[in-house]
Amino acid sequence: AQSVSQHNHHVILSEAASLELGCNYSYGGTVNLFWYVQYPGQHLQLLLKYFSGDPLVKGIKGFEAEFIKSKFSFNLRKPSVQWSDTAEYFCAVIANNAGNMLTFGGGTRLMVKP
Amino acid sequence: DTGVSQDPRHKITKRGQNVTFRCDPISEHNRLYWYRQTLGQGPEFLTYFQNEAQLEKSRLLSDRFSAERPKGSFSTLEIQRTEQGDSAMYLCASSLASPRTGGREQYFGPGTRLTVT
Repeated sequence: AQSVSQHNHHVILSEAASLELGCNYSYGGTVNLFWYVQYPGQHLQLLLKYFSGDPLVKGIKGFEAEFIKSKFSFNLRKPSVQWSDTAEYFCAVIANNAGNMLTFGGGTRLMVKP
Repeated sequence: DTGVSQDPRHKITKRGQNVTFRCDPISEHNRLYWYRQTLGQGPEFLTYFQNEAQLEKSRLLSDRFSAERPKGSFSTLEIQRTEQGDSAMYLCASSLASPRTGGREQYFGPGTRLTVT
């Protein structure tokens, strides 16, 4: 069965700092990759997705992620974070021949200090 | 708002009682998913429907759990004889499976937080 690892459980940054959150998955076949964000008191929202094509994908609010197949990674980046980016971020995978369920990582809680 | 809705948002019950949650997906979405999320963890898949057919069930879904989607629209998740270990956030998501989208983008509701005392 596939699994997803997010190695940073808590990250604290100051505003304008750059962000990179790690995500690695274990599955040898074709995957679809996602980042979801959960702002305080809100539900999970899709931030960005990768299905195929250009491995560098851009999402909402200035976020981007790069799929590196050889490293089984899909790291999330943002050049300059804002206080409003304070949230929990979840990486998720759908393995293409293993059903339609999302397999989530454990999440990274980001706090941005103003 | 035409997003995924869930009812109730919070449920407190005593151990041994039965509870039922409802999920209304985004209109015209033909796939509906249930996930469970415990504190400090990512959501875990429980089951999913395409229209009214329940196509996949996780091993996490014990015999005490049952889900239905009788008319291919809303869904219910029932937990019988609740245990303290059932305390969690129960999330519903929906997607539209079509030749173009493949149904892979799932949109989540706000969840039902269950506390079993």
